[in-house]
Amino acid sequence: KAGVTQTPRYLIKTRGQQVTLSCSPISGHRSVSWYQQTPGQGLQFLFEYFSETQRNKGNFPGRFSGRQFSNSRSEMNVSTLELGDSALYLCASSHQRDRGEQYFGPGTRLTVT
Amino acid sequence: GESVGLHLPTLSVQEGDNSIINCAYSNSASDYFIWYKQESGKGPQFIIDIRSNMDKRQGQRVTVLLNKTVKHLSLQIAATQPGDSAVYFCAENMESGGTSYGKLTFGQGTILTVHP
Repeated sequence: KAGVTQTPRYLIKTRGQQVTLSCSPISGHRSVSWYQQTPGQGLQFLFEYFSETQRNKGNFPGRFSGRQFSNSRSEMNVSTLELGDSALYLCASSHQRDRGEQYFGPGTRLTVT
Repeated sequence: GESVGLHLPTLSVQEGDNSIINCAYSNSASDYFIWYKQESGKGPQFIIDIRSNMDKRQGQRVTVLLNKTVKHLSLQIAATQPGDSAVYFCAENMESGGTSYGKLTFGQGTILTVHP
């Protein structure tokens, strides 16, 4: 099976812009989670989707949003970008409806200038 | 708040040695743990997981030990190879209804360097 794919891999934006990141989970996986990774804060949970429904959300401002489509592909959007949003954004998928191992994609490196 | 932390930020070993990476967790309600390996420029790679009803679980060259009494988790890598050099993270999840879905809480990571 193909692994989790994320596009684009690299992105440079300026403050105030918005950005949309895409994630395609492993075939058959219906749960998709998003994480932000920074040197200072490490890996932090953003939100999780299952069957097009957001089931859980981390402690991030409302500028961070996401959605999931019927084919389980997911997107996350960050509006009004700030310098502190520069990070590696990781998507993970799981075949478990409840809890289980998550498989990560390579991430999207977002740089905000 | 609750978090998962690591005792040692760096670990250097010789090729062929056994490596032990430690992780302390503070949330006694945590009942599911995963170890991940992250190489430079890549996303975390699943290594092994363990649930709280187990004390030990073995995989290929890796063993995870869970001590619930002292809230400690360890990853043992046998016959460490240069390709094992990476950052290793422990992550936890606890059963708490809807707030547990998809949410892994990660430790800060340990850098493992394997010298040939």
